[in-house]
Amino acid sequence: AQSVAQPEDQVNVAEGNPLTVKCTYSVSGNPYLFWYVQYPNRGLQFLLKYITGDNLVKGSYGFEAEFNKSQTSFHLKKPSALVSDSALYFCAVRPSGGYNKLIFGAGTRLAVHP
Amino acid sequence: DVKVTQSSRYLVKRTGEKVFLECVQDMDHENMFWYRQDPGLGLRLIYFSYDVKMKEKGDIPEGYSVSREKKERFSLILESASTNQTSMYLCASSSQGATGELFFGEGSRLTVL
Repeated sequence: AQSVAQPEDQVNVAEGNPLTVKCTYSVSGNPYLFWYVQYPNRGLQFLLKYITGDNLVKGSYGFEAEFNKSQTSFHLKKPSALVSDSALYFCAVRPSGGYNKLIFGAGTRLAVHP
Repeated sequence: DVKVTQSSRYLVKRTGEKVFLECVQDMDHENMFWYRQDPGLGLRLIYFSYDVKMKEKGDIPEGYSVSREKKERFSLILESASTNQTSMYLCASSSQGATGELFFGEGSRLTVL
């Protein structure tokens, strides 16, 4: 079955430190990969996506993500965390040939402490 | 600014009531989606539509139906609400093509008593 795993329910980081939110996937073919962020009582906002090309993609708010095909991973990173980055982060995958459906991970709550 | 608007942010309904959740997008997108969000489960696709009057079941369509009479509007219908349908419902839209991201509405939090 096709799936997306976010192995950490919560990630705690001190402000100013680098952060990583992990994502691995299990889909056939060459998938398209996405990261979304959700602030409390809000919808999801698009952060970045990997379609093809350079394995390191940059997105909104200083976030970036690295695609690793051999490890089937797409980890979200930021060099220096801000308290305002505290939110719920979702990784999503669109399998090739999967029309426009996205498969979402369960989400990782990021808490950045002052 | 592109926008997906969900008609109700918060609803409280009783078991057995019929519930309508409406979603409107202003981006002329072909695709529209209804997801359900529950803690620890992420987002699960209920239904999606790739054109007017066209729909396909997602992963959890049981207990739900949808309507898309106009391109910009996609409605989710709970014919007879049950307590296990208490959840956050998220509408999204995207352009045709596999590389486009989804644009989400603010969500509708439904409580069924």
